[in-house]
Amino acid sequence: AQSVTQLGSHVSVSEGALVLLRCNYSSSVPPYLFWYVQYPNQGLQLLLKYTSAATLVKGINGFEAEFKKSETSFHLTKPSAHMSDAAEYFCAVTRSGGSYIPTFGRGTSLIVHP
Amino acid sequence: KAGVTQTPRYLIKTRGQQVTLSCSPISGHRSVSWYQQTPGQGLQFLFEYFSETQRNKGNFPGRFSGRQFSNSRSEMNVSTLELGDSALYLCASSSGTGSNTGELFFGEGSRLTVL
Repeated sequence: AQSVTQLGSHVSVSEGALVLLRCNYSSSVPPYLFWYVQYPNQGLQLLLKYTSAATLVKGINGFEAEFKKSETSFHLTKPSAHMSDAAEYFCAVTRSGGSYIPTFGRGTSLIVHP
Repeated sequence: KAGVTQTPRYLIKTRGQQVTLSCSPISGHRSVSWYQQTPGQGLQFLFEYFSETQRNKGNFPGRFSGRQFSNSRSEMNVSTLELGDSALYLCASSSGTGSNTGELFFGEGSRLTVL
């Protein structure tokens, strides 16, 4: 079985500050990992994905995430928050060579203060 | 190319009614998945269709059903609506084949309100 835990349902940062959204996963086989973003009244959009290539993955809008097998983590970071980054962020895991159905975390709402 | 299209975007129903939601996947994608999103439960997987066959199913009652047509378009139906069915229903498509990593392409969703 696979699972995802996102620490913190809400994260609040000031504009220009570092963004860190935490994701820990559980998978019995090597995972594929994803971060999606959801803006109000919209569907989810892929930010970045890890599929067993480079452990540091760069995505859209200046976001990046690092796969750390020893810590079973895939935290999402951005050096400097922008007001437009305010959204809901979801971490998801699938199993390589297995089910393509991703398991999603509960989501983290990013609040950006001016 | 065009993204995933869901219709209708918003709808209001009353308890006991039924509803049908439609999803057109990205051209060439053969897998369509449906998710229910609520503030309390987050994103919950309903079912996945691939080449007109239900390939995976989540833990939802039989009131929730779906189908996929030969052109990969999909519909989901909820019968005997309950207040708790109020949610954003998201459709997602993917290639669904061997090279697939599980990356999903989502539509904007259909927001259902049950009164």
